[in-house]
Amino acid sequence: NAGVMQNPRHLVRRRGQEARLRCSPMKGHSHVYWYRQLPEEGLKFMVYLQKENIIDESGMPKERFSAEFPKEGPSILRIQQVVRGDSAAYFCASSPDTIYNSPLHFGNGTRLTVT
Amino acid sequence: SQKIEQNSEALNIQEGKTATLTCNYTNYSPAYLQWYRQDPGRGPVFLLLIRENEKEKRKERLKVTFDTTLKQSLFHITASQPADSATYLCALDDSSASKIIFGSGTRLSIRP
Repeated sequence: NAGVMQNPRHLVRRRGQEARLRCSPMKGHSHVYWYRQLPEEGLKFMVYLQKENIIDESGMPKERFSAEFPKEGPSILRIQQVVRGDSAAYFCASSPDTIYNSPLHFGNGTRLTVT
Repeated sequence: SQKIEQNSEALNIQEGKTATLTCNYTNYSPAYLQWYRQDPGRGPVFLLLIRENEKEKRKERLKVTFDTTLKQSLFHITASQPADSATYLCALDDSSASKIIFGSGTRLSIRP
């Protein structure tokens, strides 16, 4: 049973380019969460999605960042016009049910470097 | 303001001893609290979940306590081994119950 798959593992973008981060949840999981982690820091919540719906995007910057989880295919975290401050590890997690009933299963992250 | 605090200093423990990690929270009323392990370059891995009506939970060499009065959880690893060296994160559900919030983690190092 494959775990949460994130790709790419490493992504280098120049300032002003777009970054697309992909996350395929575990089979049977319909809840996806995105977190951001800076070196030596904890995970910062960004967005929580269910299939075709954004449930909570309170941790996501209003500008340049967007997320989707379509009916078919992976969840996508999109960062437009990247800046150096966007450099971080971005982790996706999935669960089969609401947070009250299920722990999170994490992927190994995408490390974004903005040059 | 809402805060989740874990020991910011790294914890160095002699192999075989019990490691105890602390998680304190402020202005949350979580229904449950979770502990995760994170190794360098990897995503966190779930270890244990304890609900607000549970005082203690055990799994093999791991034990978690949850005191809603003190707003604190303690995470214990007994008979610690060098392979237990990692960063340990506590996490709880926020009041809107729409997300899980993580502490900044404690780095644990077990020396042989």
